[in-house]
Amino acid sequence: EVQLVESGGGLVQPGGSLRLSCVASGFSFSTYWMSWVRQAPGKGLECVANINQDVSEKRYVDSVKGRFTISRDNAKNSLYLQMNSLRVEDTAVYYCARSGSGSYSYWGQGTLVTVSA
Amino acid sequence: DIVMTQTPLSSPVTLGQPASISCRSSQSLVHSDGNTYLSWLQQRPGQPPRLLSYKISNRFSGVPDRFSGSGAGTDFTLKISRVEAEDVGVYYCMQGTQFPHTFGQGTKLEIK
Repeated sequence: EVQLVESGGGLVQPGGSLRLSCVASGFSFSTYWMSWVRQAPGKGLECVANINQDVSEKRYVDSVKGRFTISRDNAKNSLYLQMNSLRVEDTAVYYCARSGSGSYSYWGQGTLVTVSA
Repeated sequence: DIVMTQTPLSSPVTLGQPASISCRSSQSLVHSDGNTYLSWLQQRPGQPPRLLSYKISNRFSGVPDRFSGSGAGTDFTLKISRVEAEDVGVYYCMQGTQFPHTFGQGTKLEIK
């Protein structure tokens, strides 16, 4: 059974930092693109960043470029999102998702990030 | 960025009746590899999104056959042949042809 379990969310002040983690199981993690997708409270979905299998390609939505860094450790079946210079508008549930064939096939339960003074 | 526009934004449906959701992209979703990366996702209340279909019409593992996707180019449709109570939630189309991958605003399916 494919499982994705996120952690690391919480309350942080504007300008602060957080590191999200996602541990994968039930599939060959090293053979898939992986992504972070966020959902602001009561709002729709936004793809934040994704990363290819061997870390040679990382892509970011414009709103987080220069502030967020996606990474992975295939030996630990883990995906990460380092978030710096956080803004109030970054408040959202952050989902880890397995990517492939231009779609997002499996999603974790999400971790809530709240940016507030 | 490619803009995805869904209609309607809300769809009250009677149990057992069909439902249809439309999705239009601001530019063609045909990739240079010949594939069209349009997928549909369902988000039940309090749950993460769940993939229903990918590349327009390929139903994902475990998805009931009452869900079907169709379309081409810039116009796509998700149809539910007979709505069941468990289908309540928000439905999103998503394009994976060009990064950033973008989603429609969501269509809320509710029972009359």
